[in-house]
This record gives sequence, C-alpha cells and structure tokens, in this order.
Amino acid sequence: GAVVSQHPSRVICKSGTSVKIECRSLDFQATTMFWYRQFPKQSLMLMATSNEGSKATYEQGVEKDKFLINHASLTLSTLTVTSAHPEDSSFYICSASQNPGATYFGAGTRLSVL
Amino acid sequence: AQTVTQSQPEMSVQEAETVTLSCTYDTSENNYYLFWYKQPPSRQMILVIRQEAYKQQNATENRFSVNFQKAAKSFSLKISDSQLGDTAMYFCAFMKHVTGNQFYFGTGTSLTVIP
Repeated sequence: GAVVSQHPSRVICKSGTSVKIECRSLDFQATTMFWYRQFPKQSLMLMATSNEGSKATYEQGVEKDKFLINHASLTLSTLTVTSAHPEDSSFYICSASQNPGATYFGAGTRLSVL
Repeated sequence: AQTVTQSQPEMSVQEAETVTLSCTYDTSENNYYLFWYKQPPSRQMILVIRQEAYKQQNATENRFSVNFQKAAKSFSLKISDSQLGDTAMYFCAFMKHVTGNQFYFGTGTSLTVIP
C-alpha cells in the first residue's frame, strides 16, 4: 500500500535553532498534505494544510512565521520550526491522501528543544 | 463545522472479551467518511476501519466492526476477542468526501487489554 515517509523520527535541538521535518509520499502524488501536532495523551491538532505550488493554509492560532511549510513538489512537504523554543517540543505528524478514503500518516517526529 | 466526540477517555477489557468504543459526530454534510485509527505506543497512526456514509452496511475488518447510525450520528467500534496487541489509543475521525480534505479527530479513548 501507499506509504508516507517522515524524517527525522526524533530530533533534539538547542533553543533558538531551526529544525526541518520532511514528509514524503513514496508511491503516489499528493497535492495536499497535512501537518498535525500532538501533545502527550491528547488528540492530533491540525496545524496547517500544505498545498503543492501555493501557500499553506494555517489553522487559527498557529504562527505561520514560526512554522514554515513548503510543498515544493507533489511528493514532498516540509515543516520548518524556526527559532525553536522549549514550548515547541511536541510530536509532529504529517499525512497525505491518495484519494478521499485513503489517507496515510507518517510515523511522526518527536521534537525536543533544550 | 465538524466535531467528533469520544466520551470514554479510558477503557479496559479482559483478553478475549469484547469491548465497544463510542463516538458521536456532528456535521451538516451528507457524504463523508468515518474512521477509527489506532495509535500504539510507537505513535504510528494505524487505520483500523473505515465507513463511507452512503453505505448502509456496517464495515467489518476481522475482529473489528462498527455500528454506524447515520441519523443518530453515531459510529461505535466493537473489538471482539480482544488481544494484548489491541492496547492503544483509539481515535474516531471524520472526513468530508473531498479529495485532499482534512481529518477531524475525537479526543481519543485509551484502551487497555488486561491479560
């Protein structure tokens, strides 16, 4: 079946640095990908919708200048956490849909900001 | 707006027994998908079962089945012959029947299967 690859699976960085997370659809093209954030023992919270060739759509309360999203090709979306701070530590998950009923999730990235 | 409600934060079941997880949702859409996802400690989201709203027949996948009540906007998950590997967080989710549309997730139910 279709697979979504997310990299890295875990990253530890110093406060003030930027971190890039990649989300790739391995065997299908995805014009739209989604980025979620998940706090411990909580549900997935949609951060933004990544659209190939156009600007991302951010959910209310999500800082677009802090969470930069680039969807440069039909198989790759990146999320960059700029000037990361400890409060940005979280679990980030991407997803991509092959068709309305077939959505695939990446394995997630655990970000720890020291 | 779409909302998904899971009223059971935690549940437990004896191994080999049956358990039902509840989910209700609210939408004005007529055509949509409903899902149950499992998230084990690895945190990888795993699709358990999917239901298309226009299909009256309840979806079944091996030990997993749903009770889909469209009028009542209810979508419960029944797990039969529970196994230790079923221990996980379970999320109910809604998606409009549109390509590239987002999920709306419930708050999740933490299920523990007791040996």
